[in-house]
Amino acid sequence: DIQMTQSPPSLSASVGDTVTIACRASQSIGTFLNWYQQKTGKAPKLLIYGASTLQTGVPSRFSARGSGTDFTLTISGLQLEDFATYYCHQGHSSPRTFGQGTNVEVK
Amino acid sequence: QVQLQQWGAGLLKPSETLSLTCAVYGGAFNDYFWNWIRQSKGKGLEWIGEINFSGNTNYNPSLKSRVAMSVDTVKRQVSLRLSSLTAADSAVYYCARGGYPTQVAGQFDYWGQGSRVSVSS
Repeated sequence: DIQMTQSPPSLSASVGDTVTIACRASQSIGTFLNWYQQKTGKAPKLLIYGASTLQTGVPSRFSARGSGTDFTLTISGLQLEDFATYYCHQGHSSPRTFGQGTNVEVK
Repeated sequence: QVQLQQWGAGLLKPSETLSLTCAVYGGAFNDYFWNWIRQSKGKGLEWIGEINFSGNTNYNPSLKSRVAMSVDTVKRQVSLRLSSLTAADSAVYYCARGGYPTQVAGQFDYWGQGSRVSVSS
């Protein structure tokens, strides 16, 4: 199985901050990397697919990059509604696997 | 607009079988793989497996011996059965639309609302 490791596990930030979350795959996955946002009690929501493509309707303050084994998600100008948990996910190989999540909380 | 609506029994006993169904409204049913994913505090998000309209399946090896998925293309529904339950199977279970190559990176773009399953004697 491909292991997905996210860092940090949690971070504290303020509205307006820029935050970056990292995700590392245990082997190369090309750009088969997706990012999700999850709020308490809700299903995950797709933000980014193919490592850097914004899903329709997702605000442009979200951006992502990377290929191979190292990926990042950046939120520029954090808004109140962005405080949530973020997960990376690899769609390269079966079984599909997810990172353990990064909780973005209010400082 | 695509919507996934899921249902099934929420409280089960050890050794019993979990049964969940997910109905798909809108969108092209046959173009995708339909996935089951579960989330627990201990294991985070765990992919269970996927099925397409013709019944082709792909299961997580860690659960393969206990999982069965089925599809009803007329009703546009997919179902999950997980047998020999233990407390470790307690989780929120989601259905989700995915499947390469229609989803270029295998992404899950629509999710059901989640079904909380508790396994306890």
